[in-house]
Parts: sequence; C-alpha cells; structure tokens
Amino acid sequence: GAVVSQHPSRVICKSGTSVKIECRSLDFQATTMFWYRQFPKQSLMLMATSNEGSKATYEQGVEKDKFLINHASLTLSTLTVTSAHPEDSSFYICSAKAYRGNYNEQFFGPGTRLTVL
Amino acid sequence: AQSVTQPDIHITVSEGASLELRCNYSYGATPYLFWYVQSPGQGLQLLLKYFSGDTLVQGIKGFEAEFKRSQSSFNLRKPSVHWSDAAEYFCAVGHGSSNTGKLIFGQGTTLQVKP
Repeated sequence: GAVVSQHPSRVICKSGTSVKIECRSLDFQATTMFWYRQFPKQSLMLMATSNEGSKATYEQGVEKDKFLINHASLTLSTLTVTSAHPEDSSFYICSAKAYRGNYNEQFFGPGTRLTVL
Repeated sequence: AQSVTQPDIHITVSEGASLELRCNYSYGATPYLFWYVQSPGQGLQLLLKYFSGDTLVQGIKGFEAEFKRSQSSFNLRKPSVHWSDAAEYFCAVGHGSSNTGKLIFGQGTTLQVKP
C-alpha cells in the first residue's frame, strides 16, 4: 500500500513553454502533498506544500507564479512549471502525506526529470 | 532553525564489510528522524524512522540506526553490505513541533560498494 505515482517520468521541452507534472496517491487519500526539487548530486529541497482544496504554501525563495500547484482532489496534485527556462531543468519529486496511527509519514513518487532546451 | 548534516559525501566499502553512515541534526525538541535510500533516477524509499521509545531502530534491508540525544546523532548501520546497497542515502528530520509532515533533508551520502 501507500504507492505514489508521477507522470511523466521524463519530459523535454523548449524554453518558454509550460510543463505540467502530475502526482497521484494510488491507494490512499492525501490531503497534503509536497513538491521537492533535486539538482544532480544534491539533496531534496522542499518547494511547496500542497493542500487539497486550498492554496499551496511555498517555501522561501520559490516563485509561486512560476511553479503553479493545484491539489484539486484527495489523490491528485499537479505542478506546472510556467515559461520554463534551462535553469528550471531538474528532478522534481512529489510525496504524499499519510497519517499512520500516531505520526505522519511521507510516501515518495519516483520523480520527474525535466529538461528545458 | 532545524538542520541535518551528513558529514560524509561519499563512502566506499567492500562487499561484506560493515557500514556506518553518519547523521547529525539540530532540533530543539524531540525530533522525528528518518533514513531514506534513493537509487539512481528514482524516488525515495524509507529505510527506518525514529519517533520515540527504543533508541535502536530496526529497518528494512538489514539496516538499523541508533538515536543518541547527547550527540544529536542518528547514524545508520549495516553489519554486512551487499552490492545492491550502492545508492544515495538521506537522513531527514521532521520539521515543525506539530509534526506537520514536512521534512528537512541532509546533503546525502553516496555509497559505493566494491566487489
């Protein structure tokens, strides 16, 4: 149980275009999902917290108008990278929070590799 | 502010040898601590976690970790490493006193296993 999927797994786009990445919790409902960004050989940096039915909470330094997050249902959150540029190329990972008795655990998706040409 | 430090960026061990990956954290209250493993191009898999109770925690794949409050450490250990253990390992601390579920990750340690 507690499987999280991401689509697409890999995307290449031209500079200036927008790209949407989907994150789905397949066998559980998640009121909260998280979006991370990971540069090569580096750690995961939290970009934003996505809450179902409300606005996302962005971490300091993350442009909310550039990285649009929508959490329209209890199993789906989307991240749209608007007007993408080469510096947005990265590995984007989502996770979904599930309450496990007395603690919250995050379950991670496999990630999406974005390359902007 | 909460932080996590993994002092070793890269570690190489021989197959069958023991392993210890270091993790130090900075957190005011009792931390929620996690170890994750990431294979190339993949998401993260939880190896083990510590919330309270017994300070020696057993995880999957033969890993264990020990919480030492006096040293602010949560080091990951495995008695005998297998070639399939080669991956990136991340230590993380739960962020926020109300356990919001947010995580702060260390820089990661790359484990290479020699045959």
